[in-house]
Parts: sequence; structure tokens; C-alpha cells
Amino acid sequence: AQKVTQAQTEISVVEKEDVTLDCVYETRDTTYYLFWYKQPPSGELVFLIRRNSFDEQNEISGRYSWNFQKSTSSFNFTITASQVVDSAVYFCALKETSGSRLTFGEGTQLTVNP
Amino acid sequence: NAGVTQTPKFRILKIGQSMTLQCTQDMNHNYMYWYRQDPGMGLKLIYYSVGAGITDKGEVPNGYNVSRSTTEDFPLRLELAAPSQTSVYFCASSYPGGYGYTFGSGTRLTVV
Repeated sequence: AQKVTQAQTEISVVEKEDVTLDCVYETRDTTYYLFWYKQPPSGELVFLIRRNSFDEQNEISGRYSWNFQKSTSSFNFTITASQVVDSAVYFCALKETSGSRLTFGEGTQLTVNP
Repeated sequence: NAGVTQTPKFRILKIGQSMTLQCTQDMNHNYMYWYRQDPGMGLKLIYYSVGAGITDKGEVPNGYNVSRSTTEDFPLRLELAAPSQTSVYFCASSYPGGYGYTFGSGTRLTVV
């Protein structure tokens, strides 16, 4: 069975600090997809990234970066120079190629204080 | 581009009442899903469909029903509302393989 664990329930940082959100996953499939979503206070789900299990290259998009390590089953997300607007709940999710469902972690509430 | 449209955005139901949450997508996605999100929790899959006429249960299907008569529409039916169904409901759609996974803006349901 697939499972996603986000051990950090809440993180609080001061603006301009770097912050890393952890995500550990479990799957029996050899091919799968990993996702990160942002849920701001308004409640909608904002897609951030989709990563194929074949592609272990790290990715950077502006202040966001993702570190995918298959050896440790982790897909961590780092925000560099955090801003107040980054305050949100962040979800990591997993989809096995053999299945249809997206399995979410419990989310990490990030609060960036001015 | 409308994407995934959910209606209503908010609803208050009394215990025992019924209602249908509507979901429509205009991206010609084969796959559609219903998730619920309880306060402080991640999303859990209620039902999903891989195409018109095909539906299947997710993790938490009890108390709900779905139908998929067209590619575009995937309504979720609550027959006898219970307080435990107070939640935010998200509809989503995608191509097979996880491409283009798109969520609606959610329906906040309160059962009193």
C-alpha cells in the first residue's frame, strides 16, 4: 500500500529564512509520481511540481527547490528566502503508475512571520 | 479555460438531508475523483472514475454515491447527511498516469 508521511505538522520561520519541508513515501511500485501542492488560507490547492520516479534530478524554480532521493524514499521541498506569502499548508502526494489514486500526506502548516 | 468547476461553494445541511455536489471538467480528462479534507488533515479519496460508466470506491466511500454518465460530469451524492460528513470536498480530474491532475476550488459542507 502506498503511504506518504510529512512528519512536520507545523513550522514557523521568520521572513528571509530558508525552510525545508520533509516528505517520505512508501510504495511497492517501481514507477510512480510525486507531487507537491500548496494550500493557502483561501483553501484552493495549487499545484507546485510533479516528479517522475525515473527522474532523480533535483529541480529549482525561483525560490523553490526539490530534492528527490530514491535511496531514502524522500522528496523534500525547500523554500529559499521565505516570504509572508509562502504561509500555507503544503502537501506532498504520491501516485503509483499501476493505480489511479493520489495519496496525500497530512500536510505541513508553514507560517512565515514578518 | 474553466478547468474543474464545483458547485456549490458552501452548503449547510441538516442531519438526514440529502444533496448532490456537482463537478464538471472541460479538459476531456478520462479520470475524475472526489476527495474530502477534514480540518487539519490531508485529502482522502472517496470515489473515482476512469471513464464514463465506470466508478470505483476509494478509501472512505461510506455514505456517498457517485455516477459518471458523461466524460465531463462526476456528481457526488450524500443520501443521509451525518455530522461526520462535515468537511471540504474537492473534485479533481486527470489524464491516465497522473498528467494534468487538476483540482476544483472545493465545496465546504457543514452538517448540523
